Amino acid sequence: NAGVMQNPRHLVRRRGQEARLRCSPMKGHSHVYWYRQLPEEGLKFMVYLQKENIIDESGMPKERFSAEFPKEGPSILRIQQVVRGDSAAYFCASSPSGRSNSPLHFGNGTRLTVT
Amino acid sequence: QQQVKQSPQSLIVQKGGISIINCAYENTAFDYFPWYQQFPGKGPALLIAIRPDVSEKKEGRFTISFNKSAKQFSLHIMDSQPGDSATYFCAASKDYGQNFVFGPGTRLSVLP
Repeated sequence: NAGVMQNPRHLVRRRGQEARLRCSPMKGHSHVYWYRQLPEEGLKFMVYLQKENIIDESGMPKERFSAEFPKEGPSILRIQQVVRGDSAAYFCASSPSGRSNSPLHFGNGTRLTVT
Repeated sequence: QQQVKQSPQSLIVQKGGISIINCAYENTAFDYFPWYQQFPGKGPALLIAIRPDVSEKKEGRFTISFNKSAKQFSLHIMDSQPGDSATYFCAASKDYGQNFVFGPGTRLSVLP
């Protein structure tokens, strides 16, 4: 049973380019969460999605960032016109339900570097 | 109110010692408190979790102590091993469809 798969593992973009981060949740999981982690810092919530719906995007910047979780295929976190401050590790997690005691299963992250 | 505070920021323990990491929260609506372990270059992995209706939960060398009135919970690692060296995050969540709030993490180093 494959875990949460994220790709790419490392992504380098120049300022102004677009970054697309992909996340395939664990089999049977329909709830996906995206978190951002800066070096030496904790995990900051960005967005929570269920298939085809955004449930909570309160942690996501209003501009340049968007997320989707289509009926078919992986969840995508998209960052347009990247800036150096977007450099971070982005983690995706999935769970089988949205209940508070449904544990999150994390992928190994995508490390975005903006040059 | 959505914050989870965590201390210490870093911890050094001798092999065989006890590692203790503390967390505190404000929002009494939180009803699930997991701990995650993260190794460098990897994603966090669930270690152990507790609900507020119990005061302690033990799994192997790992124990969560929960104090509902003080709104605090802690992770105890007994007989700490060098392989336990990692960053540990406490977290809290509430209700259905709510996101998890994470503490800032504790970097644990267990010396051989």
